[in-house]
Amino acid sequence: DTAVSQTPKYLVTQMGNDKSIKCEQNLGHDTMYWYKQDSKKFLKIMFSYNNKELIINETVPNRFSPKSPDKAHLNLHINSLELGDSAVYFCASSQLISVEQFFGPGTRLTVL
Amino acid sequence: EDKVVQSPLSLVVHEGDTVTLNCSYEVTNFRSLLWYKQEKKAPTFLFMLTSSGIEKKSGRLSSILDKKELFSILNITATQTGDSAIYLCAVPTGTASKLTFGTGTRLQVTL
Repeated sequence: DTAVSQTPKYLVTQMGNDKSIKCEQNLGHDTMYWYKQDSKKFLKIMFSYNNKELIINETVPNRFSPKSPDKAHLNLHINSLELGDSAVYFCASSQLISVEQFFGPGTRLTVL
Repeated sequence: EDKVVQSPLSLVVHEGDTVTLNCSYEVTNFRSLLWYKQEKKAPTFLFMLTSSGIEKKSGRLSSILDKKELFSILNITATQTGDSAIYLCAVPTGTASKLTFGTGTRLQVTL
């Protein structure tokens, strides 16, 4: 059973398009996260939701909008994609009281 | 500003060698330090350290924390090619379990 799953695994799109990445966790965790990993493999947090409520919002362009329909899902919508958005995006989850985070397999986004 | 720094950035060793990876940190309200291994895809959890001087061990991997000198090391003995990966160190910073990651150490184990 996959604990944290993301779709799609790969996404290739043109500049200016709007795209979404979906994330689901079946661990019963309260908290979910989106991270961006750049070409140098640096992993940086973007957003965190706890029980559908936004609790971390790092300095991310407002073209990025997370949405959490329920505590098992956290989707990421990106408007007006730019070349610099090309990266691997990881979803993760944890119990709020535990810092151990479980990561999804990642979505490799390529903007042409 | 909270900071997590790993060294070396990359390392190439021969199978059977022992390696030591370093992670130093400067954070307010330190609570714990975590090590992750990232192969081709998702980072996978290795260890969480909260107390100084207590070694955590899992097979050939071990890790220890020094809260006075603000660093941790990850040791891998008798390395195998399957140990080739990026090793990430992370520290919870701020509130809400936000993890600040280091830049990672890319380890390559050759035959």
